[in-house]
Amino acid sequence: RKEVEQDPGPFNVPEGATVAFNCTYSNSASQSFFWYRQDCRKEPKLLMSVYSSGNEDGRFTAQLNRASQYISLLIRDSKLSDSATYLCVVTSGGSYIPTFGRGTSLIVHP
Amino acid sequence: DAGITQSPRHKVTETGTPVTLRCHQTENHRYMYWYRQDPGHGLRLIHYSYGVKDTDKGEVSDGYSVSRSKTEDFLLTLESATSSQTSVYFCATKSDQSSGNTIYFGEGSWLTVV
Repeated sequence: RKEVEQDPGPFNVPEGATVAFNCTYSNSASQSFFWYRQDCRKEPKLLMSVYSSGNEDGRFTAQLNRASQYISLLIRDSKLSDSATYLCVVTSGGSYIPTFGRGTSLIVHP
Repeated sequence: DAGITQSPRHKVTETGTPVTLRCHQTENHRYMYWYRQDPGHGLRLIHYSYGVKDTDKGEVSDGYSVSRSKTEDFLLTLESATSSQTSVYFCATKSDQSSGNTIYFGEGSWLTVV
């Protein structure tokens, strides 16, 4: 079983829709969680960190469920510009090696 | 954005030739990583460094070597390039500060081995 798993999608949604992605991780000692966004032929860039209490940044909400070992990303009011691949990243306590999921592809259409 | 530059950005090389990719950072980050990204595989760690002259293998290190003689530079060498090493290579860095768990990426180096 891969340490960090994501549904590759693609998630194909109309503008204005709400879409949610989940990411599961296998190491219960994981401590740091992030969502990265990657556009086609570009480098991954930090979208947001994920905190235990959940956090929101504009249209984006990230949540952590330690009991079930998953993190989620909710995008409200989807824009065409949200089309990208979203990568889940997990780092275990005491480790400086991040583990990446393979990414979830989002396509927002008019 | 962290100051990470990769060179070359694009390269075409022949099978059997050595290739070196360079990653240069201006953030004084302790940790540096080399990843390759291929369709269906996502980002895979090749080698990483946790300090000057301190490096270790990642999950796909065969055929690759690295060196880090200065904090700011992390070199990835393909000793004898093969077509299976055609990929996009990303360098990444991370601070060793307790609050600095963010990973920053360079823009990538596209390598084609013919």
